[in-house]
Parts: sequence; structure tokens; C-alpha cells
Amino acid sequence: TQLLEQSPQFLSIQEGENLTVYCNSSSVFSSLQWYRQEPGEGPVLLVTVVTGGEVKKLKRLTFQFGDARKDSSLHITAAQPGDTGLYLCAGDDTGGFKTIFGAGTRLFVKA
Amino acid sequence: GAGVSQSPSNKVTEKGKDVELRCDPISGHTALYWYRQSLGQGLEFLIYFQGNSAPDKSGLPSDRFSAERTGGSVSTLTIQRTQQEDSAVYLCASSSQSTGAGELFFGEGSRLTVL
Repeated sequence: TQLLEQSPQFLSIQEGENLTVYCNSSSVFSSLQWYRQEPGEGPVLLVTVVTGGEVKKLKRLTFQFGDARKDSSLHITAAQPGDTGLYLCAGDDTGGFKTIFGAGTRLFVKA
Repeated sequence: GAGVSQSPSNKVTEKGKDVELRCDPISGHTALYWYRQSLGQGLEFLIYFQGNSAPDKSGLPSDRFSAERTGGSVSTLTIQRTQQEDSAVYLCASSSQSTGAGELFFGEGSRLTVL
């Protein structure tokens, strides 16, 4: 079974700061996804990256897929309190095509 | 409704009792997942249904856990003889794709508390 490791586990920053969270694996994934989850709700998809080296931007969020398709990063520029939440990376388990998740990075942005 | 619906939203039960959690996926979605999320943690895969194929049960933590999906639509997760460590939020998700990279649409979860 493939594993996805996320770091850091927890991040508390001031509004306006930049941050990067990471998703790593020893296995190759055909694609990786990033989800955000707010308290009391289910995760919501932010982006899917498919091609090695791919960079996608979503407003202040920049997502990158590693060249070898084993890792991904999420960079947030000028974080805002509304960015607070649990950020989860996910990938397809090539053994069975099901989607597995990392443990998540819990982000808290203070005003 | 348009989204994934789960019930009950909250369930408090006594240790040793059986519970059933229900998931109504988005109409037409062939894939259905159950995940478990303990307080402040990530999503632990439990079981995956895809169309008429045999489900992937590799994530079920013990034989007290079982799930079925009737008619390719509604799914029920059953936990027998509940234990305190079963307390968690149980999330259901559905997807229209038959392989990875498809967007998962989640319900709001069923919070289970075992006293």
C-alpha cells in the first residue's frame, strides 16, 4: 500500500505570511490531489496535478507536482484567516485505484 | 439532493451496541468510499465500491465492520459490538470516475461517540 506523508502536521502563522506544506511518498502516483477541510464539513477538492513538474495556481495558492511524481507542495502567499483549515493531499492507490489520503496539515492563520 | 447525504449526523451509543451509518451518494456516481477521521486527524480509508465490482475492503479495521451498497446507490456501514476506539467521524464520498484522479465529493459525515 502506498503512503502519503504530509509536513508539517500543524502550522500557526500571522495573517500576511507565506507558507509551504509538503506531501511526500516513496511511490510514484499518476496524479495527486489537494483538498481543504473546514470544521464540521467534508473535504473539498482544490486541485489535481497530473504531469510531473506541473505547477498550478489558484489565486494565492500554488501547487507543484514533483518531476518524479512522488511528491507535491502547496504554497500560500499572504495567508488570510479564511485559509484556516486542514489541508489534505490524496492520490490513487495504483494497486486498486482507490484514493488514499495523507494525515493532513492543520493550518491556523491569525488575524 | 444534489450532494452526498449522510445520516445520522450524530450518533451516541453504548459500548457493545451495533450501529448503522447511511450514505446516499450523488446520483450516477459509480464510486463510493467510506473513510474514518479521528479527532484532528487525516482520513483513514475503510472501504471502496466501484460499480458492480467486488468492493475493496482492505481498510476495514476488524470483522466488526462491514458495509454494503444496494443497487449501486445507497450504502450502509455497520459496526457491530461498538468499542470506544470506534468513536470518530465517518465520512462517505462518491465519484463519477472509475479510476484515480477523479474528484471525490464528500458528505458532512456521521459523528459516532461510543460511551
